[in-house]
Amino acid sequence: DQQVKQNSPSLSVQEGRISILNCDYTNSMFDYFLWYKKYPAEGPTFLISISSIKDKNEDGRFTVFLNKSAKHLSLHIVPSQPGDSAVYFCAANAGGTSYGKLTFGQGTILTVHP
Amino acid sequence: DAMVIQNPRYQVTQFGKPVTLSCSQTLNHNVMYWYQQKSSQAPKLLFHYYDKDFNNEADTPDNFQSRRPNTSFCFLDIRSPGLGDAAMYLCATSGRINSNQPQHFGDGTRLSIL
Repeated sequence: DQQVKQNSPSLSVQEGRISILNCDYTNSMFDYFLWYKKYPAEGPTFLISISSIKDKNEDGRFTVFLNKSAKHLSLHIVPSQPGDSAVYFCAANAGGTSYGKLTFGQGTILTVHP
Repeated sequence: DAMVIQNPRYQVTQFGKPVTLSCSQTLNHNVMYWYQQKSSQAPKLLFHYYDKDFNNEADTPDNFQSRRPNTSFCFLDIRSPGLGDAAMYLCATSGRINSNQPQHFGDGTRLSIL
């Protein structure tokens, strides 16, 4: 049972345009959501997070939106740059006694073309 | 720079031959996690340590063990690796167990089984 899903395996975007990566979840106990970026041969790097008490969090070019009723979150990258080309993982945590356990989606490969 | 370091980056072992993967951290974090990531799949939590307190995920095979001799180091032991254990193994740390903090990942060890 996959509790966090990234339904788009890949996304291709032109440099300067917006990239929108989507993530859906099924577990209503999740209350903290994160996005990680992963380059080949490197570990995942934390990008941005959002708590369930918010519906938006912004950090520079990166904005995460959370729609709790739809159990959906998205990552917006504006403007997209070639260096943003990587695999993006959505992850969720249930807080409480979940001991910080992260449940990951399968990832979306983002390619930004110059 | 404070970081999470995994050794070796690539490990080849024979079917059934025990193997140990290593993780060290300079972040002085209380919690250390081991994830398994198979190709094109989401990272999956195997177990974690909160200080010296070990916690196994329910579906982690008995073949997988872990040791944490001190705050800085954590080891993943695979007693009798099978072909299905070929994967990327990721170590992560976080400062506190039940708080909304991102986990910091190492670059992983890619394990191949001959």
